Amino acid sequence: GAVVSQHPSWVICKSGTSVKIECRSLDFQATTMFWYRQFPKQSLMLMATSNEGSKATYEQGVEKDKFLINHASLTLSTLTVTSAHPEDSSFYICSASGGQKIQETQYFGPGTRLLVL
Amino acid sequence: DAKTTQPPSMDCAEGRAANLPCNHSTISGNEYVYWYRQIHSQGPQYIIHGLKNNETNEMASLIITEDRKSSTLILPHATLRDTAVYYCIVGGNAGNMLTFGGGTRLMVKP
Repeated sequence: GAVVSQHPSWVICKSGTSVKIECRSLDFQATTMFWYRQFPKQSLMLMATSNEGSKATYEQGVEKDKFLINHASLTLSTLTVTSAHPEDSSFYICSASGGQKIQETQYFGPGTRLLVL
Repeated sequence: DAKTTQPPSMDCAEGRAANLPCNHSTISGNEYVYWYRQIHSQGPQYIIHGLKNNETNEMASLIITEDRKSSTLILPHATLRDTAVYYCIVGGNAGNMLTFGGGTRLMVKP
């Protein structure tokens, strides 16, 4: 299957700093990428959807000025958590889909664990 | 997207078949059934998906009822490494968002 990578796999930062997380599709072109967040013992919650070359669509309740998403190429999307606070500590997971077939499948990255002190 | 209902947890003996049910009674005609699993502290792993017909791959089999209101994921010979949370999701296609429910926590026991 297709491979999606994330970097870094984990990050610890101080409150008030910004953190950038990269999501890459390694062996396919991702026309659409998704960003999810998962708190302990909870399911994945979609944060935003991004299509290459256009602005991301954010889910209700997700601050677009705080979670900046850039999908500049067909293999790379970035999520920047600006002015991070302890409540932003979570497991951030991206997924990617691509191709022309309607049955295209979303493939997920391994996730990035963020801890804000 | 249609909602799904799954049992919160199941146990299975190692080497036996694990049958994970999913109800999706409000599924519409063009929606697929997707199955993913998430092993602790990892991203979800794609398992299988289908529309109407039963599907099989190297990981699992997917049995969809004729009325498409429910499906069963079958792991033919469960191993300890199959212990994970299994998510059944219905959606138009993978270009659309996937809505994750609570999933089924499968515990494979020796």
